[in-house]
Amino acid sequence: GENVEQHPSTLSVQEGDSAVIKCTYSDSASNYFPWYKQELGKGPQLIIDIRSNVGEKKDQRIAVTLNKTAKHFSLHITETQPEDSAVYFCAANPTGNQFYFGTGTSLTVIP
Amino acid sequence: NAGVTQTPKFQVLKTGQSMTLQCAQDMNHEYMSWYRQDPGMGLRLIHYSVGAGITDQGEVPNGYNVSRSTTEDFPLRLLSAAPSQTSVYFCASRGGGSTNTEAFFGQGTRLTVV
Repeated sequence: GENVEQHPSTLSVQEGDSAVIKCTYSDSASNYFPWYKQELGKGPQLIIDIRSNVGEKKDQRIAVTLNKTAKHFSLHITETQPEDSAVYFCAANPTGNQFYFGTGTSLTVIP
Repeated sequence: NAGVTQTPKFQVLKTGQSMTLQCAQDMNHEYMSWYRQDPGMGLRLIHYSVGAGITDQGEVPNGYNVSRSTTEDFPLRLLSAAPSQTSVYFCASRGGGSTNTEAFFGQGTRLTVV
């Protein structure tokens, strides 16, 4: 099956700085890569996703890049704010039915 | 629009007891799934369903049963709880034929087995 690795497991940045989280995957059949944000005591919520026919996607301060040759994708958050503090998960979707998640990154934005 | 609703939010069980975690969605999604979340291990798929009457096993199905009698509901049953099943459980649903579409998660059920 698919294996998704996510790094780092924890990340602290100063408010206003950028944060980058990286994921690698193993199954070349994966063609959909969502990123989820999980706040304390809540379920994960989709913040951005990318499909395999696109190399980069942006949504305001959030961007995701995908390198299918190297099998890695990254989340970039610019101008970080305290409300960005949360746990972030990447995932890969090799078939229509199963998501494989990374182990999560706990992001802390220091005011 | 309620989205995905899970009950209960918290539960403590004794080893050997049984219980059902409830999940309901009001988005008419075909695809529903159950995940467990453990520290340092991310979210792991337990069981999933692609429509009423159809279920299949995910990555960690042992000790859990599911059924899907309606589009809206997808309960998860623990027949004989074990301490290893202490975890946070999330139900999720997807639409659009289940391919390359956003998954919506419930708020989770925190289960402790003593």
